[in-house]
Amino acid sequence: QKEVEQNSGPLSVPEGAIASLNCTYSDRGSQSFFWYRQYSGKSPELIMSIYSNGDKEDGRFTAQLNKASQYVSLLIRDSQPSDSATYLCAGETGGFKTIFGAGTRLFVKA
Amino acid sequence: EAEVAQSPRYKITEKSQAVAFWCDPISGHATLYWYRQILGQGPELLVQFQDESVVDDSQLPKDRFSAERLKGVDSTLKIQPAELGDSAMYLCASSLAGRSYNEQFFGPGTRLTVL
Repeated sequence: QKEVEQNSGPLSVPEGAIASLNCTYSDRGSQSFFWYRQYSGKSPELIMSIYSNGDKEDGRFTAQLNKASQYVSLLIRDSQPSDSATYLCAGETGGFKTIFGAGTRLFVKA
Repeated sequence: EAEVAQSPRYKITEKSQAVAFWCDPISGHATLYWYRQILGQGPELLVQFQDESVVDDSQLPKDRFSAERLKGVDSTLKIQPAELGDSAMYLCASSLAGRSYNEQFFGPGTRLTVL
């Protein structure tokens, strides 16, 4: 069973701090990884995609991928209360099927 | 900005009734997905279409669920008969093609409540 694992949280950080969200995956054939943000009662919104080992930065967000350790992370710098949401990690298996983790709830305290 | 459209946004039905959900993907997106998301869990793929063809329906409960994408554009997901355990958010997503590096974009979802 191919899996994507996330700590359910909640992760609580003060406003202005760096929030670090982590994800591990079981399928070594996975090549593509995605982070989605989901507000309560809403649908997932794509934040970042990453395909190569290393870091990828987009504004306040940095995605990190380590294929040897089967580990993906998302850093949110200068966290804002509006970043409070559930963050879903997703990996695309070798068969082009996307597997989602259960998500990590993030609370940013003003 | 191009978006995935879904209707209805909310549906309340009684068990044993039939329900149907509709999805219109982003124009030009060949791949369409239906997911089910239970509160506190990640989305679970029910069915994936490439144009009008089903490429993955391994998790679709085929005794009660059906999906079609007749002209390779919009799609309908049907449940008949609905059961209490079907209460969930039903999400439609689309992407340019079902290949690697495949960014999916979600519609607003349909919240189904079965009484």
